[in-house]
Amino acid sequence: SQQGEEDPQALSIQEGENATMNCSYKTSINNLQWYRQNSGRGLVHLILIRSNEREKHSGRLRVTLDTSKKSSSLLITASRAADTASYFCATDRASYGKLTFGQGTILTVHP
Amino acid sequence: GAVVSQHPSRVICKSGTSVKIECRSLDFQATTMFWYRQFPKQSLMLMATSNEGSKATYEQGVEKDKFLINHASLTLSTLTVTSAHPEDSSFYICSAPSGELGGETQYFGPGTRLLVL
Repeated sequence: SQQGEEDPQALSIQEGENATMNCSYKTSINNLQWYRQNSGRGLVHLILIRSNEREKHSGRLRVTLDTSKKSSSLLITASRAADTASYFCATDRASYGKLTFGQGTILTVHP
Repeated sequence: GAVVSQHPSRVICKSGTSVKIECRSLDFQATTMFWYRQFPKQSLMLMATSNEGSKATYEQGVEKDKFLINHASLTLSTLTVTSAHPEDSSFYICSAPSGELGGETQYFGPGTRLLVL
């Protein structure tokens, strides 16, 4: 069953602004991952954060994880029109690869 | 970097026919692959785990006789939708562990869009 909830469901911003997406989950996890999906395409892995980590950076991406609140956030700084896509969080409870996906946030960045 | 391909990318078929979708890891071996289904504007739902040399493991609510999975080699898994019906129309995506970070991340294929008329 789908355990992840993301908000907002849709986010529309101007180029150069920051975009923040949130994800909540219900069970204990081994790690949490964020993926990006362009319309009608496959998914691209963005970043992974383990359950014993609180924050991670990769380029313009910043991910936080609060296991006490069972939530995570993805921040994209200085957004670009090319960042327009759907973003999904996915949790891995124990079995490598068996991911449970959140509902996703549709991000639109206007030039 | 590692790539996962899927074939076909798009298929239209008549109700009652069977459709086979291939998932290949192009430059790495994958003893395990995963099959997901995604309905329009929705998230991905794990259908089954494909295991090379053994039977696939299906998620609760997924009919194994409806969705046949064969992991024929270390680089190929196939999903066959048998006797397809319009409600099977969906976007099917496979993935394989990347080998990085202990296999915790996945390489996803580009997906196969199935339309059953």
